[in-house]
Amino acid sequence: AQSVTQLDSQVPVFEEAPVELRCNYSSSVSVYLFWYVQYPNQGLQLLLKYLSGSTLVKGINGFEAEFNKSQTSFHLRKPSVHISDTAEYFCAVMRAGKSTFGDGTTLTVKP
Amino acid sequence: GAVVSQHPSRVICKSGTSVKIECRSLDFQATTMFWYRQFPKQSLMLMATSNEGSKATYEQGVEKDKFLINHASLTLSTLTVTSAHPEDSSFYICSARDKAGGTDTQYFGPGTRLTVL
Repeated sequence: AQSVTQLDSQVPVFEEAPVELRCNYSSSVSVYLFWYVQYPNQGLQLLLKYLSGSTLVKGINGFEAEFNKSQTSFHLRKPSVHISDTAEYFCAVMRAGKSTFGDGTTLTVKP
Repeated sequence: GAVVSQHPSRVICKSGTSVKIECRSLDFQATTMFWYRQFPKQSLMLMATSNEGSKATYEQGVEKDKFLINHASLTLSTLTVTSAHPEDSSFYICSARDKAGGTDTQYFGPGTRLTVL
């Protein structure tokens, strides 16, 4: 079975500052890794995914993530955040089509 | 990216009634769809896996007779909450699995807010 740990439940940052949202996973087999964003009362929107290949993955809205197999991590980063990035972010692993989600990280961008 | 729709987006019903939620993949075929439930300030909890043309697979603790799932076509899955009670009030989200072109990604619907009075 796989599991996902998002190390920070809340991350407050100021506008235009860099941000990193941390995600660690555990799995005995290879998995696919995803980051999703959820705005209030909406579904999940895919930010980026790692299936194979380059360990640095670029996604939408200026986000990127790096897959680190030795540390079993998939941290999400953005060099300069905007107010509009305020949302809930979920890290997920998928194996055989079934996804397991972390508990989420609330990113709050302050002016 | 691919688009998944849900209908209705919001529903309020009386206790004891049944509510049907539709999930559609609009621009791809999905042999597998998933139904999740999300409580406020919490993560998504998988309720069941819906496979086209066969019975759904329910997660442990989910009552299959209460949450009826039908996946009648490659683009439509429905979740029916039977004899709904206030504790069934929640945000229900579906996703559809896209395996075309060597990719393997879930695309999520916008969710349905169910309130049972």
